[in-house]
Amino acid sequence: QVQLQESGPGLVKPSETLSLTCTVSGGSITYYYWSWIRQPPGRGLEFVGYIFHTGSTNYNPSLKGRITMSVDTSKKQFSLKLSSVTSADTAVYYCASATDTNMILAFWGQGTMVTVSS
Amino acid sequence: EIVMTQSPATLSISPGERGTLSCRASQGVSSNLAWYQHKPGQAPRLLIFDTSTRATGIPARFSGSGSGTEFTLTISSLQSEDFALYYCQQYNNWPRTFGGGTKVEI
Repeated sequence: QVQLQESGPGLVKPSETLSLTCTVSGGSITYYYWSWIRQPPGRGLEFVGYIFHTGSTNYNPSLKGRITMSVDTSKKQFSLKLSSVTSADTAVYYCASATDTNMILAFWGQGTMVTVSS
Repeated sequence: EIVMTQSPATLSISPGERGTLSCRASQGVSSNLAWYQHKPGQAPRLLIFDTSTRATGIPARFSGSGSGTEFTLTISSLQSEDFALYYCQQYNNWPRTFGGGTKVEI
């Protein structure tokens, strides 16, 4: 059973970069596709993007240009960086895993709240 | 992108009753649809994928149906632990998109 745990600052200033890490346990970092999903307050879930252990990525076009994902197989972690944040990026951020690019998300973290505010 | 619309927004129902949740896609997604259950403070849980296939460990009272643009999640006899938020998700097109959710409450 794969377990995922998000970590990172809960408060980020406008125009700065949001950085989150997801730590994987109970499964191989090289087997799954690793994704990020977010949920702004009072709104629905939004797919942010995914990364494979090879470094292959696919990002939501609405965030392209601001988003970078990476994976550290030795630490069994993958990360999200979102630059030039605004209040619209305030959300609960979830990491999740899928067995292929269809993004059927079998395992999720509990989520971490990130607030963008000065 | 494909817009997923769920209805109703809130389903008020008694334990033991049948619950029917709907999900509509703005364009056809074939059978590439999943359902998730989400309880406050917990990780979302995959219930159904490929429209009607139950994920590992999901009770038989959960069933999914539909194709194209209209999909349904049915809970045959609601148990106390089923009161939660439910989301549908299409994975036919990129970006993958979710519905706005249906809250199932007592």
